[in-house]
Amino acid sequence: GAGVSQSPSNKVTEKGKDVELRCDPISGHTALYWYRQSLGQGLEFLIYFQGNSAPDKSGLPSDRFSAERTGGSVSTLTIQRTQQEDSAVYLCASTKPAGENEQFFGPGTRLTVL
Amino acid sequence: GENVEQHPSTLSVQEGDSAVIKCTYSDSASNYFPWYKQELGKGPQLIIDIRSNVGEKKDQRIAVTLNKTAKHFSLHITETQPEDSAVYFCAASFDTGFQKLVFGTGTRLLVSP
Repeated sequence: GAGVSQSPSNKVTEKGKDVELRCDPISGHTALYWYRQSLGQGLEFLIYFQGNSAPDKSGLPSDRFSAERTGGSVSTLTIQRTQQEDSAVYLCASTKPAGENEQFFGPGTRLTVL
Repeated sequence: GENVEQHPSTLSVQEGDSAVIKCTYSDSASNYFPWYKQELGKGPQLIIDIRSNVGEKKDQRIAVTLNKTAKHFSLHITETQPEDSAVYFCAASFDTGFQKLVFGTGTRLLVSP
């Protein structure tokens, strides 16, 4: 079946604008993760969903960042009033139901804030 | 919280040579250590993982070793091929059914023909 998909693949926005990034996990995967990858850096955990609830959102950098998941499937990461330091690749990953560890990553959304 | 350091940041080898990437972690409670390979323009892909009850694991040309006492783990690639060229990330987590992975900063491996 299809892997994790993310859209858009690239997003260029102006400072101060809001952006929405979308993640479609693999069908049947109950857990979903968002990460941020800044240039030359590792992946930084943002938030984790189990079903539609987010037990851990400790990695969200500020209250400008929010995420939701509906129907236990699609997730949207929203960044309000974007800043230049928000420029990064945003990656989404999903895992099978409990007991499986492998996180399957999407190709990411490259966000550039001018 | 957990902190993972990874070395080297770049590694250049000739085709057929071995490559070794090393990581250290800070939280002795961590018990799951995956390695991911990221090719240009793609998301990371799991290549091998190890749990803290195992000291070594092999899968064809790749192997991972874990030293719990020293809190470090390493990725070994033998007989490297040009298609092994990519960025490799180590990670660590405490497996509670929820994998809050803490990643290293990555190693760019270049295998020259």
